[in-house]
Amino acid sequence: EAGVAQSPRYKIIEKRQSVAFWCNPISGHATLYWYQQILGQGPKLLIQFQNNGVVDDSQLPKDRFSAERLKGVDSTLKIQPAKLEDSAVYLCASSLGIDTTEAFFGQGTRLTVV
Amino acid sequence: DQQVKQNSPSLSVQEGRISILNCDYTNSMFDYFLWYKKYPAEGPTFLISISSIKDKNEDGRFTVFLNKSAKHLSLHIVPSQPGDSAVYFCAASEADSGYALNFGKGTSLLVTP
Repeated sequence: EAGVAQSPRYKIIEKRQSVAFWCNPISGHATLYWYQQILGQGPKLLIQFQNNGVVDDSQLPKDRFSAERLKGVDSTLKIQPAKLEDSAVYLCASSLGIDTTEAFFGQGTRLTVV
Repeated sequence: DQQVKQNSPSLSVQEGRISILNCDYTNSMFDYFLWYKKYPAEGPTFLISISSIKDKNEDGRFTVFLNKSAKHLSLHIVPSQPGDSAVYFCAASEADSGYALNFGKGTSLLVTP
C-alpha cells in the first residue's frame, strides 16, 4: 500500500515570496491533515479536511496561509507571502475517517525562508 | 498553550535495558493517546496507542501505561535495541475535534550498544 506522498521534499525561498506544497493521501482516506513542525517542537495542526470540507482551520494563519482539497483527494497548502518564521517542516497526514484515531504521515516538506 | 508535555528532551539507555518515556497532558477531554516514532528526514510513524478507558496496552516490546487521575502516560520499551534510537512523540486527541493530534515536543532516545 502506497503511503502519503508529499512534494517537494525541500524548498528554499526568500521572504515575501510565495510557495506551495502538495499532498496525495493514502487511497481511500477521507480525512487529511496539514501540520507545521518548527525545529525542536512537536507538529502543530494547521488544518483538517474531511473529504473536501474543512473540519478545523482555527490555527491556520489565514492572512498568509491557504489550503484546499479539491475533489476530496489531493491537497495543496500555500503560503503567500512567506515570513522567516515560516521556516519549518510541513507534514501531511491522512486517516480513514473522522472517527479514526490513527493518522499516517508523509515524509514532509522542509521549507527554509531566507 | 501546550496541552501535551514531554519534559525530557533526551534519554540515553544501554542496549537490552528498559527505556521509559514520559508524557503529561492537561486536557481531561482527551480520549485517545498515541506514540509516534520519528527518524531524521522522515515523517512520524505510528507506534502504539491507548484509549482513555484502558490503563495499559502492550504490543511486543512496547507497552503504554495510562494514569488518568495523574494525567500521565508512559511508553516502556523492553528490551531496548539500537534501532529504537529515534525521536518519540506523545500525542493526544479527542473525538469532538475529529481526532486531530496534539503533540508534545518529543524525546530523543539513544540506545547505545
